[in-house]
Amino acid sequence: SQQGEEDPQALSIQEGENATMNCSYKTSINNLQWYRQNSGRGLVHLILIRSNEREKHSGRLRVTLDTSKKSSSLLITASRAADTASYFCATDVLSFGNEKLTFGTGTRLTIIP
Amino acid sequence: KAGVTQTPRYLIKTRGQQVTLSCSPISGHRSVSWYQQTPGQGLQFLFEYFSETQRNKGNFPGRFSGRQFSNSRSEMNVSTLELGDSALYLCASSWDRGLGRGYTFGSGTRLTVV
Repeated sequence: SQQGEEDPQALSIQEGENATMNCSYKTSINNLQWYRQNSGRGLVHLILIRSNEREKHSGRLRVTLDTSKKSSSLLITASRAADTASYFCATDVLSFGNEKLTFGTGTRLTIIP
Repeated sequence: KAGVTQTPRYLIKTRGQQVTLSCSPISGHRSVSWYQQTPGQGLQFLFEYFSETQRNKGNFPGRFSGRQFSNSRSEMNVSTLELGDSALYLCASSWDRGLGRGYTFGSGTRLTVV
């Protein structure tokens, strides 16, 4: 089963605009990660934020984490056509006997040139 | 350095057959996880291996099995294939999950069961 939901399921924006995706999860986590997937290919790791961190930046990416609300957001600034992909959040729950990465349902992002 | 290599890339099998997929992790990575991705169920965790030991298993029937070799390469096997097993199977490697590092995924094996 999925750990949580991502919102929106699909997002279309003009090139140059900012894109924001949200992720909610259900259980306590060790860290939360964001991945990108292009057209059914493998997933590419974008950024990892630990449970004791509230915000993290990497290039045009900004991730926030609110553990009290069990939610995270991914902001992509100044979007480019190459950003068109599906984006997944994944929670890393480090507990004995239950080590696994659990993915959200994903957001399909389309950048319109 | 070389990425995670999954073979084969595409596979077509008939119902009832069995299949073996292979994953070679990044050199030095000891943790290998397998995921199944379908349009209906999304990304579902199959199992994780670390130093040849299965550390965790997802909610899949016993027809799905795996193993890891001493060189960290991993294989997963699906026996008595069903149409619903058609999916993209992804392998991910990491040095060790306990360090909270991101995973590196392979390009996947797309399995079609007819």
